[in-house]
Amino acid sequence: DGGITQSPKYLFRKEGQNVTLSCEQNLNHDAMYWYRQDPGQGLRLIYYSQIVNDFQKGDIAEGYSVSREKKESFPLTVTSAQKNPTAFYLCASSTGTVYNSPLHFGNGTRLTVT
Amino acid sequence: GEDVEQSLFLSVREGDSSVINCTYTDSSSTYLYWYKQEPGAGLQLLTYIFSNMDMKQDQRLTVLLNKKDKHLSLRIADTQTGDSAIYFCAESWGSSNTGKLIFGQGTTLQVKP
Repeated sequence: DGGITQSPKYLFRKEGQNVTLSCEQNLNHDAMYWYRQDPGQGLRLIYYSQIVNDFQKGDIAEGYSVSREKKESFPLTVTSAQKNPTAFYLCASSTGTVYNSPLHFGNGTRLTVT
Repeated sequence: GEDVEQSLFLSVREGDSSVINCTYTDSSSTYLYWYKQEPGAGLQLLTYIFSNMDMKQDQRLTVLLNKKDKHLSLRIADTQTGDSAIYFCAESWGSSNTGKLIFGQGTTLQVKP
């Protein structure tokens, strides 16, 4: 079955540590995205990538980094510079074209930093 | 800039119809989407409408689009307890070939038995 896999489902870290969230897709989609979800605030775009070896900042990129070395994979690193990292992180992919390119989502990773 | 607004909460009785409303600002949006999120899960695409359409029906779901007022609604007929979830509307960022979607804050639908 084609889909998007995020791991782990729950992640706990101490303040000051970097942490990397995994996202893998086997949908052969060109574009991949990372969103952050906080209660009552909907989804906010962190980074997106339309093609391998290229990515762009979204609306809230500060304190995050990404890489896109393979089409299937788009890992997100939450660095110690992110002031409020505790959140639900959602990875998505799409065909990437502007016309009718609905996002397909993974099941998310809930990160808690204490 | 782009903005999508939704009311935060809706409560209905099982068997009633639910109507979730959304307003958007980007008049160049080509597609508008409705997603459903169950607790602790990702978002699931429910339906979408092309911007040159007024209405789309898909089983119990009816989407109405008023382009003049930039208003989108999702009607769920015969609402069931399994419909309890958060519903997000989203617009395609049509002015640029990025595939980006802009999401509303989400409407929590509570269905009482």
